Amino acid sequence: GENVGLHLPTLSVQEGDNSIINCAYSNSASDYFIWYKQESGKGPQFIIDIRSNMDKRQGQRVTVLLNKTVKHLSLQIAATQPGDSAVYFCAEKKAGGKLIFGQGTELSVKP
Amino acid sequence: KAGVTQTPRYLIKTRGQQVTLSCSPISGHRSVSWYQQTPGQGLQFLFEYFSETQRNKGNFPGRFSGRQFSNSRSEMNVSTLELGDSALYLCASSLDPGRPYEQYFGPGTRLTVT
Repeated sequence: GENVGLHLPTLSVQEGDNSIINCAYSNSASDYFIWYKQESGKGPQFIIDIRSNMDKRQGQRVTVLLNKTVKHLSLQIAATQPGDSAVYFCAEKKAGGKLIFGQGTELSVKP
Repeated sequence: KAGVTQTPRYLIKTRGQQVTLSCSPISGHRSVSWYQQTPGQGLQFLFEYFSETQRNKGNFPGRFSGRQFSNSRSEMNVSTLELGDSALYLCASSLDPGRPYEQYFGPGTRLTVT
């Protein structure tokens, strides 16, 4: 079936280090790939998105890389801070508007 | 600008009952989507509404239904509740369906079915 999955369910990093969260997708017919952050007790929050015709997009402290050859998406967070601790989801927007989410990776930042 | 609001925040129901959850989108947003979040299945798309019309539907049984009103507020209903329906139900709004990357999520309604 449709699936967007994550390589690592948990990730623990030291404050100040860079974090890399990975995601594999199975459906090539997607317009956008999106990363969301979900803190405890809150709904997911949009972080950054990338069109399917792009390889890289940078935001504030975050970079998303898309490798369509191997159907791989990654989120890089520079100088990770304790406030970055959350569950991160990748999602793909299929034609027609439906969003398919991955299972999520929990990022834990040690002070 | 107020965010997406969902009511109630917590709900406990028993098997066989039905439940209605409410979502008020951000002012000006006309697209509302619903998701079910569980530890085992993650975030799963339920349905999307735009201008009172259902545009997309996920792979859920007919017990799950929804609607959208002229003021863009949306409700979802689950009939004949099952234990497996226990989940966090999230609502998200955006200006229009073509911009899901600009979806803003509400805090969710935590439904527990006993």
